[in-house]
Amino acid sequence: QQQVKQSPQSLIVQKGGISIINCAYENTAFDYFPWYQQFPGKGPALLIAIRPDVSEKKEGRFTISFNKSAKQFSLHIMDSQPGDSATYFCAATSYSYNFNKFYFGSGTKLNVKP
Amino acid sequence: GAVVSQHPSRVICKSGTSVKIECRSLDFQATTMFWYRQFPKQSLMLMATSNEGSKATYEQGVEKDKFLINHASLTLSTLTVTSAHPEDSSFYICSAQKRTETDTQYFGPGTRLTVL
Repeated sequence: QQQVKQSPQSLIVQKGGISIINCAYENTAFDYFPWYQQFPGKGPALLIAIRPDVSEKKEGRFTISFNKSAKQFSLHIMDSQPGDSATYFCAATSYSYNFNKFYFGSGTKLNVKP
Repeated sequence: GAVVSQHPSRVICKSGTSVKIECRSLDFQATTMFWYRQFPKQSLMLMATSNEGSKATYEQGVEKDKFLINHASLTLSTLTVTSAHPEDSSFYICSAQKRTETDTQYFGPGTRLTVL
């Protein structure tokens, strides 16, 4: 059973547009939701993360929106740039549930057109 | 900072040989390290979790005798792929947790293994 479902699988956005990637989870014990950015041939890098006690977190052009009741969270990239073209993974975890094992989404390949 | 390095970044080996991949936390002590495998255009698959000084915990379906993990110190974990076969070719990524941030994983740059 896939604990975290991510969509879309791929996304094409024009430069300056907004990129939106969505994730949904099943386990209500999850209490930490990070997003990772991965460039080809590189390891994932932590982009931004949120805890369920807030509904939104913003860092620069990146915003996480969190809906606890719907068990959904999303990444918004404002003013998308070609340099944002990468694969994005959402994840969920809880120390109280399986000692910080990360459950990753399937990934979204973002292509920002110049 | 939270820098994790892996060595080597790429390795090509012959079928039947063993390959060791190192994962180091450069500027922090890692109480726990994780090893992942990633196939092209796919998500990360957790292989095992290792805590310093104790045996690794392997995920279901991962052969512990084939993928040997050693976490000898708070800054070093190694993954040895024994008797490698072409189907072991993959991108192997480690991650590490700081002692003070038990919910965050910092990833290494990955190691591309090709078994001929």
